[in-house]
Amino acid sequence: GAGVSQTPSNKVTEKGKYVELRCDPISGHTALYWYRQSLGQGPEFLIYFQGTGAADDSGLPNDRFFAVRPEGSVSTLKIQRTERGDSAVYLCASSPSDRNTDTQYFGPGTRLTVL
Amino acid sequence: AQSVTQLGSHVSVSEGALVLLRCNYSSSVPPYLFWYVQYPNQGLQLLLKYTTGATLVKGINGFEAEFKKSETSFHLTKPSAHMSDAAEYFCAVTTFLNQFYFGTGTSLTVIP
Repeated sequence: GAGVSQTPSNKVTEKGKYVELRCDPISGHTALYWYRQSLGQGPEFLIYFQGTGAADDSGLPNDRFFAVRPEGSVSTLKIQRTERGDSAVYLCASSPSDRNTDTQYFGPGTRLTVL
Repeated sequence: AQSVTQLGSHVSVSEGALVLLRCNYSSSVPPYLFWYVQYPNQGLQLLLKYTTGATLVKGINGFEAEFKKSETSFHLTKPSAHMSDAAEYFCAVTTFLNQFYFGTGTSLTVIP
């Protein structure tokens, strides 16, 4: 079946602009995670959704970052007033339930470059 | 708080040799531990995980890892490296909260 997909695969924007990154999880997966991976680093937890609600957003770096999952499926990560330091690969993962022992299935990521 | 340390950002082994990738964790509560692999231009893929029960965990592609609480370690091993094992490997920890902490990764090179 289809895996996790993320669009766009690459996004180049200018400092100060607004961007939206989309994640389509595996059908039926109730849990969805966003991570940020900077060059030479491991994925950094940003936010976790269970269904439509953000169960834990403690990893969002500041109030410029926001994520939604209005129907409990597709999720959008929104970044306002982008800064050069936001440049990274943004990863999305989904898992079948809210058990943290479940396998997370990762998408290929969106590479964001802020000029 | 939880954290993961992966010793050795780059490891090179000869084809057929033992693979040993090190992972140490820090956690104040019983951890769940994972190893993920990232092949070039692909998403992260689960290799294996420890949750409860047997401390020696077997995963895909011949990899295994042993949870050693006394050493706070979860090292990844494979008896005989194959060229196709060349990839980036990440160790991760979580607890009863759904926050996952990843190490900085180890890049494995397999020399023919």
